[in-house]
Amino acid sequence: QVQLQESGPGLVKPSETLSLTCTVSGGSISAYYWNWIRQTPGKGLDWIGYVYHNGDTRYNPSFKSRVTISVDTSTKQFSLELQSVTAADTAVYYCARGGPAARDFDYWGQGTLLTVSS
Amino acid sequence: EIVLTQSPGTLSLSPGERATLSCRTSQSISSSYLAWYQQKPGQAPRLLLFGASNRPTGIPDRFSGSGSETDFILTISSLEPEDVGMYYCQQYGSSPRYSFGQGTKLEIK
Repeated sequence: QVQLQESGPGLVKPSETLSLTCTVSGGSISAYYWNWIRQTPGKGLDWIGYVYHNGDTRYNPSFKSRVTISVDTSTKQFSLELQSVTAADTAVYYCARGGPAARDFDYWGQGTLLTVSS
Repeated sequence: EIVLTQSPGTLSLSPGERATLSCRTSQSISSSYLAWYQQKPGQAPRLLLFGASNRPTGIPDRFSGSGSETDFILTISSLEPEDVGMYYCQQYGSSPRYSFGQGTKLEIK
């Protein structure tokens, strides 16, 4: 059974860079798209971007200037960096695997709450 | 950008009743590009249907989906108490590649 687990600091100061990591277990990291999605009470679910196992990326234009997603296949981890965070970036961040046709998300991590506050 | 509008905002029904949830897209999409998720309180979303009507392994057959072009429906044929939660539709498109509806809250009386 594929499992994903997010890890990160929980609290970030405004203007700093948010860094989160997702560890994949129980399955291969190859041949799938690996996504970051966040959920806020006000805006609901927002797709941030994905990385393919070969390092190719695609981002939501809403985040594109601030976001970097990378993958390390040797450790079966992928990571999210979001620069210049503000209070509006306070959210639950999920990592998720793209389904076989990459049109949906078939496995999700439990989510990690990230708060932006001084 | 394709906008997904879900209705109703909240649905309150009794166990055994039939639930009908709607997702309308601002542009026509292929039914292959529409998915539904269930999110129980305190949990991550779970894929319920992909390709508008296909259930992943382990999803009960009381969940079904239909629709085409701009109008899609999620039906729960006979509600169970554990079906309480939020339900989201999601589309696969061009930019952004993926987007979600705002959700329907399902309450069980």
